[in-house]
Amino acid sequence: EAQVTQNPRYLITVTGKKLTVTCSQNMNHEYMSWYRQDPGLGLRQIYYSMNVEVTDKGDVPEGYKVSRKEKRNFPLILESPSPNQTSLYFCASKSAGTAKKNIQYFGAGTRLSVL
Amino acid sequence: DQQVKQNSPSLSVQEGRISILNCDYTNSMFDYFLWYKKYPAEGPTFLISISSIKDKNEDGRFTVFLNKSAKHLSLHIVPSQPGDSAVYFCAASASNDYKLSFGAGTTVTVRA
Repeated sequence: EAQVTQNPRYLITVTGKKLTVTCSQNMNHEYMSWYRQDPGLGLRQIYYSMNVEVTDKGDVPEGYKVSRKEKRNFPLILESPSPNQTSLYFCASKSAGTAKKNIQYFGAGTRLSVL
Repeated sequence: DQQVKQNSPSLSVQEGRISILNCDYTNSMFDYFLWYKKYPAEGPTFLISISSIKDKNEDGRFTVFLNKSAKHLSLHIVPSQPGDSAVYFCAASASNDYKLSFGAGTTVTVRA
């Protein structure tokens, strides 16, 4: 089954304790992206990757890092989490090709609380 | 500054009636528009899309209308069913750009 898998689904942590949210897709997609969803703001892009070893900032990259060492994996790293990073996070992927058909496939989400 | 706006946070409609969701955008470079549907504890799933070369696209009970001059699009669901109760996100992208800009979402509740 084609899917984007995020882990963990729920995470409660404390300020300053480094954490990683994993994302894996089995569709051989070149493009992967991280979003955060906050009330009243919709989904905002954090980072994206066009392919292995190619990453770039989205709209709200501050406080986050990513890496793309393998095509299927795109982990999101919070080196020193702060309470304003409490949010619902989504990983997404799509096949490179015609950008017009810009349909992205999303994971089930990771709800993060930073105390 | 949000380039895609959904000004109605919620919508309640009776089963069998029409649901109309609205979306406005400000970036004139956007030329591809999508609607995503999201259930609680799940990720958004693609529902329907429209290119700027069209003004209407239908898929079963779902129709999206695009008014480029007004920078406005709408999603019609006819007839509405209880399973349509979800959050609906409007999204837009520009030519050759994979980035999606999302609206804040509209929560639809279909009453039996």
